[in-house]
Amino acid sequence: EAQVTQNPRYLITVTGKKLTVTCSQNMNHEYMSWYRQDPGLGLRQIYYSMNVEVTDKGDVPEGYKVSRKEKRNFPLILESPSPNQTSLYFCASSLHPGTYGYTFGSGTRLTVV
Amino acid sequence: QQQVKQSPQSLIVQKGGIPIINCAYENTAFDYFPWYQQFPGKGPALLIAIRPDVSEKKEGRFTISFNKSAKQFSLHIMDSQPGDSATYFCAASIGGADGLTFGKGTHLIIQP
Repeated sequence: EAQVTQNPRYLITVTGKKLTVTCSQNMNHEYMSWYRQDPGLGLRQIYYSMNVEVTDKGDVPEGYKVSRKEKRNFPLILESPSPNQTSLYFCASSLHPGTYGYTFGSGTRLTVV
Repeated sequence: QQQVKQSPQSLIVQKGGIPIINCAYENTAFDYFPWYQQFPGKGPALLIAIRPDVSEKKEGRFTISFNKSAKQFSLHIMDSQPGDSATYFCAASIGGADGLTFGKGTHLIIQP
């Protein structure tokens, strides 16, 4: 089944403890992206990648890092999480977003206490 | 600066009615306008998309109307059903390569 897989689905962590949210797609898509969803703010792009080793900042990149060492994987790293990063995170992939749109994962709900 | 403004924030419609969700944009460089549907506990799913060279696009019961001069586009759901109850997001992109700018979403409830 063609899909974007995120792990974990739920995560509670403490301020300052480094964490990684994994994202993997099995559709051989070039493009991958991370979004966060907050009530009343919709979906905001954190980082995106157009190919292996090519990444760029989205609208809200502060406090996040990403890497694209392989085509299928695009992990999101929070080096020192803070409570304002409590959110619902989505990974997405596409052959080309402007033609095919994005396929989204099921989301990771992160709580930072 | 919000680049895509979506309204209304929430909408309740009786079954069989035609909910209309509106979006307005400012950046005339946008050239791809998709709509996404999101059910609780799920990621958004692409519903329908349009480019500015057409004024209307239909897929099943879903229609996008696009007004380039007004910089507005809207989603219409014909013969709405309770199963259409979800959050709907409009979005826009330039060239589509660098990602999508989303509206804030509309929580739609279709009452039986």
